[in-house]
Amino acid sequence: QQQVKQSPQSLIVQKGGISIINCAYENTAFDYFPWYQQFPGKGPALLIAIRPDVSEKKEGRFTISFNKSAKQFSLHIMDSQPGDSATYFCAASKGGTSYDKVIFGPGTSLSVIP
Amino acid sequence: DVKVTQSSRYLVKRTGEKVFLECVQDMDHENMFWYRQDPGLGLRLIYFSYDVKMKEKGDIPEGYSVSREKKERFSLILESASTNQTSMYLCASSYPYGYTFGSGTRLTVV
Repeated sequence: QQQVKQSPQSLIVQKGGISIINCAYENTAFDYFPWYQQFPGKGPALLIAIRPDVSEKKEGRFTISFNKSAKQFSLHIMDSQPGDSATYFCAASKGGTSYDKVIFGPGTSLSVIP
Repeated sequence: DVKVTQSSRYLVKRTGEKVFLECVQDMDHENMFWYRQDPGLGLRLIYFSYDVKMKEKGDIPEGYSVSREKKERFSLILESASTNQTSMYLCASSYPYGYTFGSGTRLTVV
């Protein structure tokens, strides 16, 4: 019940296209859903995050869509660029604890080709 | 800019050696974490600490221990390194609802 599932494992998108990564969770106690972006040789960095009281959050070309009833959320990257090529991790965590432990999905390797 | 610094980017150690991976954060965060990252397995939590001298096991603590003597420093210890501990190790510290990661230490055990 602590797992976060993520698909696809890898994704190749043409420059200018839309990249979509999907995640699903089981634990309804999760109340915070961040996405992390990791470039080769670097640690993951927080990209965008959403809480379940909204269905969508947009920051520039990055949008999170959230479906609370289906326990699913997804990342959309509009107008994908070669500089977006990275590994993306969805994640989930519970509020109200002092540990802030985050559960990560297995990651999606995105390649944007010119 | 906030930082989590891992002392080594690359390490090569022999089987049976005791290995220390060091992590320092400059953000006065209470919570610190050690993950290992392997292809296809994502990020797996080894240990975490929510205060000085406090530690909690994560999902895969076997073969590892940790030390947190000061708030800013969290060390991961491989008591007797084995080849199946070859991996990328990531340290993180957390603010409410977010992590800051270090750049990682790629450890190879031969």
